[in-house]
Amino acid sequence: DTEVTQTPKHLVMGMTNKKSLKCEQHMGHRAMYWYKQKAKKPPELMFVYSYEKLSINESVPSRFSPECPNSSLLNLHLHALQPEDSALYLCASSLYRTTLDQPQHFGDGTRLSIL
Amino acid sequence: GQQVMQIPQYQHVQEGEDFTTYCNSSTTLSNIQWYKQRPGGHPVFLIQLVKSGEVKKQKRLTFQFGEAKKNSSLHITATQTTDVGTYFCAGTPYSGGGADGLTFGKGTHLIIQP
Repeated sequence: DTEVTQTPKHLVMGMTNKKSLKCEQHMGHRAMYWYKQKAKKPPELMFVYSYEKLSINESVPSRFSPECPNSSLLNLHLHALQPEDSALYLCASSLYRTTLDQPQHFGDGTRLSIL
Repeated sequence: GQQVMQIPQYQHVQEGEDFTTYCNSSTTLSNIQWYKQRPGGHPVFLIQLVKSGEVKKQKRLTFQFGEAKKNSSLHITATQTTDVGTYFCAGTPYSGGGADGLTFGKGTHLIIQP
């Protein structure tokens, strides 16, 4: 069982739909991340939040919009996605330490299919 | 930007044989982390190496960090069917510390034949 909970587990949406992915952790972690993973490929970093503020945006298209309402929640809002956006979307969290990167705890992911 | 290369991409072994995956970075790393992802699962943290030349062991797994902190390896002794999965090395493209997203190697897919 993972301590990072992602919902929904599966999502099928059309290119004109608007949907949101949700991620929650109660480990007191102050860093949260979104990754995108295609089949048989490594996870690719999309966004990093530290202390609820967006700190890294890896040139992700604006059709993906992250939001961090509080220290336990991370959302990814989706709008007008393309078929190539179909992938596994992973949320992760870690402790925040200025001296050393901390291990990341991943959720099970949301498997997204764009029709 | 930082690139993390990992070989081999696929490794087929007979159960009981040893397995090694190698990771090489184009830049010096502040630290390196290793993750395992089972088929259909999510990445799970295995270990973090910080010091130059560091060697750490977890049962049948041995992790090494190169002297120059640009390469690393994971060695599994006497593989078991539970070792099946993809092993990723991961480094941070920034200075290290704080909240830096990970740059993953391409991963090595370990396939074990009983």
